[in-house]
Formats: sequence, C-alpha cells, structure tokens
Amino acid sequence: GAGVSQSPRYKVAKRGQDVALRCDPISGHVSLFWYQQALGQGPEFLTYFQNEAQLDKSGLPSDRFFAERPEGSVSTLKIQRTQQEDSAVYLCASSSPGTVTSYEQYFGPGTRLTVT
Amino acid sequence: QKEVEQDPGPLSVPEGAIVSLNCTYSNSAFQYFMWYRQYSRKGPELLMYTYSSGNKEDGRFTAQVDKSSKYISLFIRDSQPSDSATYLCAMRSTRGGNKLTFGTGTQLKVEL
Repeated sequence: GAGVSQSPRYKVAKRGQDVALRCDPISGHVSLFWYQQALGQGPEFLTYFQNEAQLDKSGLPSDRFFAERPEGSVSTLKIQRTQQEDSAVYLCASSSPGTVTSYEQYFGPGTRLTVT
Repeated sequence: QKEVEQDPGPLSVPEGAIVSLNCTYSNSAFQYFMWYRQYSRKGPELLMYTYSSGNKEDGRFTAQVDKSSKYISLFIRDSQPSDSATYLCAMRSTRGGNKLTFGTGTQLKVEL
C-alpha cells in the first residue's frame, strides 16, 4: 500500500524486556516522526528524523528509548528494559518537506504496546 | 498546564446537528493549526489545516483560528454517524522543527 505501515500492530512485553517497533514511511518522504499516545490522550512527540539524521529527540522520555533510521527510510524505535508506564500506542508519521503539502504528516496505524 | 487544552468530551449529538469543537493554547509561537480525526485503533488523519488566523471551509467542515484569543475551532455541519471519532487539534510553531503539539482529543458520537 501507499501509506505508512508499522509493525507489529500489537506487542505484549514483560516488564524488563526490550522491544523494537518498526516504521515504513511513505516512499520518498524525507521526514519521519515518532509519537507516543497514552490511553485517552493526544499523541506526544518523541523524535524526528530528516533522512537519516535525527534532528530532534527532545521528546524521548528516558535513555531507555532509542530511535534510528540508518538509511533514511525505515525507522526503528527501541525501548530497553520496558516499564509499565511505557504501555501506549506508538505512532509513526512521515511527511515530505518542500512540497505544497509539506505540513501534512501522514500517520501509520500505530503499534499498541502493553507491558505486563 | 498543557500548551494545548481540549475538552475530552464525550460529546453526543443527533444526526444532522452542527458540531462545534475547540481548543485553546498558550504558546504564541504556534502558527500552523490542524485538525485530525482518529477512528478507534487507527492513526490520525488530517482533516483541516490553517496557517495563522482566519477561516477555512472544506465541504461540511469549517476551521477557525483566532490568534488574539489563542482559540481554534472546528465546525461540522450536517453531522453523520460516520463522523463519530476522536477529533484532535494539533499545532506547530515556526520554531522548534516540524513537531506537532496535540490536544487531548474530543470524542464525538453522532447518533441516528
């Protein structure tokens, strides 16, 4: 499909486990964003890439969170030693700066992480 | 206090009603204002986008921005059951990159 895809869609982890969440942005989109959406809340910004460069990681809640986009396309959000408060939906979005619609961020369906 | 405040609802209206959703914000650097719709277990999708102050209309949807009051609104005319979703306002400043700051979201139910 042409949209943003994320995998897995659902992930259950035991407290203390490491998890890796994958995002496939829309082909050709240079900007990629990760957001965290807790239950009943709006998405909160985690980090932003332009191509392979991580330009803003100010929203990452702790050093247990790490994101990468080594080839400027697929991105992985890794959470080490998961805690219960990490339970949330993790949304990925992509956009293409420099176009008329560069303001629009296209969101994937999210990965629902539950830490038990 | 959050930078963007939005009443979480839930808001229940009869089919055909006019719906008014709104957000207030505190950061005067916000210049870009968006409304996203999010269905259950889906990602947000962009409905409306406005730059700075003013109105914008698209079909049954009208977005208004009043920067002097730091207040934005989304109006939905002739609401349909398919409009039942969570509506998120989002904002972006001209500084601080392209990240969006979202409201909590308002849950809307349009009943037959």
